[in-house]
Amino acid sequence: EVQLVQSGPEMRKPGESLRISCKGSGYSFSGHWIAWVRQMPGKGLEWMGIIYPGDSETRLSPSFQGQVTVSVDKSANTAYLQWTSLKDSDTAMYYCARLAPPAPLDYWGQGTLVTVSS
Amino acid sequence: EIVLTQSPGTLSLSPGERATLSCRASQSVSSSYLAWYQQKPGQAPRLLIYGASSRATGIPDRFSGSGSGTDFTLTIRRLDPEDFAVYYCQQYGTPSWTFGQGTKVEIK
Repeated sequence: EVQLVQSGPEMRKPGESLRISCKGSGYSFSGHWIAWVRQMPGKGLEWMGIIYPGDSETRLSPSFQGQVTVSVDKSANTAYLQWTSLKDSDTAMYYCARLAPPAPLDYWGQGTLVTVSS
Repeated sequence: EIVLTQSPGTLSLSPGERATLSCRASQSVSSSYLAWYQQKPGQAPRLLIYGASSRATGIPDRFSGSGSGTDFTLTIRRLDPEDFAVYYCQQYGTPSWTFGQGTKVEIK
C-alpha cells in the first residue's frame, strides 16, 4: 500500500528555522517525484515545488524560490521542506504528494500544520 | 505562469442534481495536463481526474472531465451526499504548476 506519512504539527516563533518531513512507503520512492503544496488557513492550494529522489533534481515555484529549500534522503525514503527564517505568513498546512505519470498527484500525505507566532 | 480561474465560487445544489464546474486557463494547457481534485474539511486533497478526462483509480463514474486548450469542465452526474466538498483544478503542463482558487459545492 502506497503511503506518505508526514511529520507532526510544529509551532515556531518568527525568525526560527524548521524542517518538516514526508516518508514514503509501499512503492519505489527513488523513482517518483515528490511535490509540496501549501494551504494557508481557509485558503486554496498552492504548488510550491517538486523534487526527484533519484537525483535530487528540484523545481521550485517562482513564488517560493529563496523562501524554502526542498531536499531528500533517498536512503531513508524521506523528503524534506525547510525554512531558515520563518515568518508569520508561513503559517499553513503543508502537504506532500507523489507524482505518478500520467497522473499528477495521486497519493497525498496527511499534512503538517506549521504555526508561526510570537 | 498559467492562471486558472474557476467558476462559480460556490455552487448550491441538492443531492441527486447535476454539478457543472468550470476551469478557465489564461493560456493553453499543454497536452491537456489538467487535473481535478476534491478536498473535504480536515482532509488532504484527492485526485479525481487527470489528463483532462481520465478518472483516477477508484473514482466513481459519476465524475467526468472534459475540455481542452483553455476551457475545462468537471461534471458530477448525480450528486451524492459525500460529494459536497471543495474542488480544485490544476495544470501541470508547464515547469511551474498552478491550481485554481477552488469551487465549493454545498448542500442547498
